Amino acid sequence: QQQVKQSPQSLIVQKGGISIINCAYENTAFDYFPWYQQFPGKGPALLIAIRPDVSEKKEGRFTISFNKSAKQFSLHIMDSQPGDSATYFCAATNTGTASKLTFGTGTRLQVTL
Amino acid sequence: KAGVTQTPRYLIKTRGQQVTLSCSPISGHRSVSWYQQTPGQGLQFLFEYFSETQRNKGNFPGRFSGRQFSNSRSEMNVSTLELGDSALYLCASSLRPDRGGTYNEQFFGPGTRLTVL
Repeated sequence: QQQVKQSPQSLIVQKGGISIINCAYENTAFDYFPWYQQFPGKGPALLIAIRPDVSEKKEGRFTISFNKSAKQFSLHIMDSQPGDSATYFCAATNTGTASKLTFGTGTRLQVTL
Repeated sequence: KAGVTQTPRYLIKTRGQQVTLSCSPISGHRSVSWYQQTPGQGLQFLFEYFSETQRNKGNFPGRFSGRQFSNSRSEMNVSTLELGDSALYLCASSLRPDRGGTYNEQFFGPGTRLTVL
């Protein structure tokens, strides 16, 4: 019940295109859903996050869509750039009980010219 | 402001040995969490420390242990190393533990790459 499933495993998008990464969770106790971006040789860094009482959150070119009834959420990267090439992880946590992030398996994004 | 620092960055050990990894959190951060990252299992939570006390532990064998010092610095130890312990070990710090619905952003260090031969 603690799993977070993420797809696709890898994604190739042309510059200027839209990158979409999907995640699904099982544990209804999760109340905070961050997305992390990781470049080679670096630790993950928080990109954007959402709570389940909001259906969408946008920050610049990055948007999270959240469907509470389906227990699914997704990251959309608009106008994808080569600098966005990285591995993206969705995550979930229950902020009432523990500072424990449950991560998805990651999506390696490559943005081509 | 300096980020989370982890030492050493790379480590090679042989099966059966033990290893200690170190993490210095961002100044003022008092909560430290450890994660193991492998290609097969992804990022998995190991444990969390706050005020020198382990608050939460992931599903790892007792060979994995940790501690936190009064200055919030943390160490994790793996005893009797196995080949499967080869991984990137990430430390993350936050101001304080999550509580009552407030998320305290976790800032990750660059990790320690452990190779077990």
